[in-house]
Amino acid sequence: EAGVVQSPRYKIIEKKQPVAFWCNPISGHNTLYWYRQNLGQGPELLIRYENEEAVDDSQLPKDRFSAERLKGVDSTLKIQPAELGDSAVYLCASSPPTLAGVTDTQYFGPGTRLTVL
Amino acid sequence: AQSVAQPEDQVNVAEGNPLTVKCTYSVSGNPYLFWYVQYPNRGLQFLLKYITGDNLVKGSYGFEAEFNKSQTSFHLKKPSALVSDSALYFCAVRDSNADGNNRKLIWGLGTSLAVNP
Repeated sequence: EAGVVQSPRYKIIEKKQPVAFWCNPISGHNTLYWYRQNLGQGPELLIRYENEEAVDDSQLPKDRFSAERLKGVDSTLKIQPAELGDSAVYLCASSPPTLAGVTDTQYFGPGTRLTVL
Repeated sequence: AQSVAQPEDQVNVAEGNPLTVKCTYSVSGNPYLFWYVQYPNRGLQFLLKYITGDNLVKGSYGFEAEFNKSQTSFHLKKPSALVSDSALYFCAVRDSNADGNNRKLIWGLGTSLAVNP
């Protein structure tokens, strides 16, 4: 079974430029997460989707970040314009449908390392 | 409020010796607890989780963790460390009673494990 796929793996851009990350979750996983991970830190949730609905975007900086998951499968995370402080690894994760009371193990992609110059 | 702490930034252990990576948590309800491992330039990999039942949970690569409710801990252990176990380890917790925007994992800052040959 293929894991979570992310592209690109690395991206270097100058500040004020736009950038987009793509994620393809594990087949059948209805929940998709975007995280940001700074060096030496744990993951920070940016947005969580249940199918095509964003159910938690409370940590997404909406002035410059946007995300979409139009058909409830692939997802794109965009930053426009990028700032120096956006340099980080952007992780995508997915989890399968759960029964009531059973929690969801998240499976992560390899991440996209963004460097903003 | 939910929180998780990994009190050690780094753990050093000799190959063949037992290892322990510590994690303590705070939730208002019953916890769901997870351990993930991150190798250099890789995404996070699921190791094991505690949902309910037996306090000793066995996971991938020979790792296990013991849930201790009275001490609110979920320490990761392995009887005999390998050099290849050297990586960054993250503990995460979710309150089983959480819903909505609170239904998300809270991550520790990570512990760097170095296994010396």
